[in-house]
Amino acid sequence: EPEVTQTPSHQVTQMGQEVILRCVPISNHLYFYWYRQILGQKVEFLVSFYNNEISEKSEIFDDQFSVERPDGSNFTLKIRSTKLEDSAMYFCASSRAEDTQYFGPGTRLTVL
Amino acid sequence: AQSVTQLDSHVSVSEGTPVLLRCNYSSSYSPSLFWYVQHPNKGLQLLLKYTSAATLVKGINGFEAEFKKSETSFHLTKPSAHMSDAAEYFCVVSVSGGYQKVTFGTGTKLQVIP
Repeated sequence: EPEVTQTPSHQVTQMGQEVILRCVPISNHLYFYWYRQILGQKVEFLVSFYNNEISEKSEIFDDQFSVERPDGSNFTLKIRSTKLEDSAMYFCASSRAEDTQYFGPGTRLTVL
Repeated sequence: AQSVTQLDSHVSVSEGTPVLLRCNYSSSYSPSLFWYVQHPNKGLQLLLKYTSAATLVKGINGFEAEFKKSETSFHLTKPSAHMSDAAEYFCVVSVSGGYQKVTFGTGTKLQVIP
């Protein structure tokens, strides 16, 4: 069964560094999403992406965040200058249309 | 606007006894509702979904949920808990709008006692 994959599973970085989190959505899906889950808190929507542009973003998704679909398979989340409070689990999801989102296993980002 | 409330942050049951995880939602439009499960250090796995078809929805691993519009509820149940059910469960509401806007509940941690 096709699934969403994410790399790396765990990323450790120094405060102020740039990180890129990578996702490979399910191949025939058209809608892509990023969410984050700070330890002990609920899953929060960051951004949705369709037709090579952002459909919607939350207030969390400020100028230090960006998303890109650099080729036909990858979907990336870039954090330009990481802060301690960016430490969280980041989930990528994809959906075929306006229906069920399928989530990847997540990337745990630790900012030191 | 949409929101979802999971009424219990922790639920503890004995192995072999029924499970009930409660979820209430609010939505301005006809919602789709989902339950996801997250095992420790794992991603989110879809358990089941309601999308305006049958109100009683059967999912994987023996779980089911009933959509009750009059009560704005979508409680998750299982007749007999198994040790492997210990995990965190998220109720999710979504409304379509060109893309699917999704709101997560705060999660319920299920503990299964042997």
